[in-house]
Formats: sequence, structure tokens, C-alpha cells
Amino acid sequence: SAVISQKPSRDICQRGTSLTIQCQVDSQVTMMFWYRQQPGQSLTLIATANQGSEATYESGFVIDKFPISRPNLTFSTLTVSNMSPEDSSIYLCSAGQGQGGNTIYFGEGSWLTVV
Amino acid sequence: GQQLNQSPQSMFIQEGEDVSMNCTSSSIFNTWLWYKQDPGEGPVLLIALYKAGELTSNGRLTAQFGITRKDSFLNISASIPSDVGIYFCAGQLLGTYKYIFGTGTRLKVLA
Repeated sequence: SAVISQKPSRDICQRGTSLTIQCQVDSQVTMMFWYRQQPGQSLTLIATANQGSEATYESGFVIDKFPISRPNLTFSTLTVSNMSPEDSSIYLCSAGQGQGGNTIYFGEGSWLTVV
Repeated sequence: GQQLNQSPQSMFIQEGEDVSMNCTSSSIFNTWLWYKQDPGEGPVLLIALYKAGELTSNGRLTAQFGITRKDSFLNISASIPSDVGIYFCAGQLLGTYKYIFGTGTRLKVLA
């Protein structure tokens, strides 16, 4: 299994500002993903973070709003840009070894409240 | 975003009872995963299923990968108060690396 650490764990942000969330994995992994979990809801995939190239975004999520970096096989960042109260959510980083019978593990999440 | 149909949405049960929940979809999956999420925590992996028809146990938990590859169920036997939480299924779509999640089952156990 992989141990995943996220920072910050919680933050209260002013609307219109941007916040970058960091995700560190304790071992090299093939796949890293970012999910959003709105209050009382399930997890929705934002994007796949690709090492050394642009992230692959899901429908409804765009790079301008959620820029993602992945400079190596153990680290990724997600920025939530120009935040509004609707962005108040848990943002979760997950990681795994990819296709073919492999699992993904989650960090504790970053709980953002936009005021 | 795309999500799997998971049922029941919530359930209250008495301690000691067995619990069953399932996920269904019109899509085919490579892998099924089951997670539990406690308040203030990230999801924790309970069981992973990799082949159609596979039946896997983890203590009091048993899960199966449906033979059609479009569904999965999770059973919890002899429930205890610490089983309280939200359970999510996640399926890895055929031909992709990504996982989509079920809508969740909120379990409450009455002592």
C-alpha cells in the first residue's frame, strides 16, 4: 500500500483567492488522481495527474480553474483558483500503480472552506 | 461527474445483524474496490476485487465482483458499533486507469 500525505489538512479561504494543495506519496506510483467530495456527497474525479505532462481533466473540470502539477512519481499539487463558496469541499489525492489489478489509496484530504 | 448506483443510500441496523449493500452500472469494470470513510477522514480501502466472480473476505467483510463485471456487493456480518460510517464502492472502467465512485451507503448501527 501507499501512504499519502496532504497539506494543508484544513483551510479557510477568502473568495477570489487561490490555494495550492500538496500531495506526497511515500513510494513511487504510476497513477495519481485528484478527487473532490462536496459536503455529504460522494467522490468525483477531477483529473488524472500525469508525470511530466499536462493532467487529464474530467468533464466539468478545466485547467484554468484546477491547475495540476506532477513533477515526479511521488508528488503532485492541485490549485483551486479564484475560489468561490461553491468550491468549499474536501479535495482528496489518491495514488496507485495503475491498470491490471491495482488499487488506489487516499490521503486524509484537504478540507477547504471558502468564505 | 459519472457515478455508480449504490444502494441502499442509508440504513439503520441493530448490532449483531448482517448488512448488505451493492453497486450497479451499465458499464463494465476491470476492478472493484470497497472503501469506508469515517467523519473527518479520507476513504480507507476495505477490499479489492480483480476478476469477475471473485469472492473475497476481510474479517467480517465479504465482497464479490459480479459475473457480468457490471456490479459488486459488500456484506458485513455481525455488525458492531464501529462499523458506523459511509461505505463507497469504486470501479475501474474497462480500458482506463481511472476509478469512479458509488453514491455511498451511510450505515448506522444501533447498540
